[in-house]
Amino acid sequence: KAGVTQTPRYLIKTRGQQVTLSCSPISGHRSVSWYQQTPGQGLQFLFEYFSETQRNKGNFPGRFSGRQFSNSRSEMNVSTLELGDSALYLCASSLEASSYNEQFFGPGTRLTVL
Amino acid sequence: AQSVTQLGSHVSVSEGALVLLRCNYSSSVPPYLFWYVQYPNQGLQLLLKYTSAATLVKGINGFEAEFKKSETSFHLTKPSAHMRDAAEYFCAVRITGANNLFFGTGTRLTVIP
Repeated sequence: KAGVTQTPRYLIKTRGQQVTLSCSPISGHRSVSWYQQTPGQGLQFLFEYFSETQRNKGNFPGRFSGRQFSNSRSEMNVSTLELGDSALYLCASSLEASSYNEQFFGPGTRLTVL
Repeated sequence: AQSVTQLGSHVSVSEGALVLLRCNYSSSVPPYLFWYVQYPNQGLQLLLKYTSAATLVKGINGFEAEFKKSETSFHLTKPSAHMRDAAEYFCAVRITGANNLFFGTGTRLTVIP
């Protein structure tokens, strides 16, 4: 089975722009979660989608949004980029939205904001 | 509130020596606990998970961890370090009813030849 794929792998944007990142979960997985990883704040949960519905959201401003499609693929969008948004964005998929299901992580998209 | 604390942001061991990475959790309810490894420029890979079935959990690559409720700890160990174990390790917790993970700050393991 193919793993979680994320596109693009690297992205450079300037302040004020917006960006869309894409995540394709493992086939058959219906839950997708997004995390932000920075040297200062570590790994922080952004949001989780299951069956096209946002189930849970972390403590991030409204500039961060996401969605999930009927094929379980997910996108996250960041509007009005700030320098502090530079980070590795990780997507994780799991079979169901359940506490004991393992989350499988993709390689991440490294976003640099100049 | 649920959280994990990883003691030691950097740990160095000699090749063949014992690896011990510390993790303490804080949770008001019985947690699910995980250890992940991250190699440079890669995502996270699950090493092992505790889901209350057994207190001693064996994972991949020779790693294991023991859940100690009395100490609220879930330390990761490996009897003999290999060069390929050099990476960053994250302890994470998830509570019942929530799917998202709360991660520790990570421990970077260096293996000295």
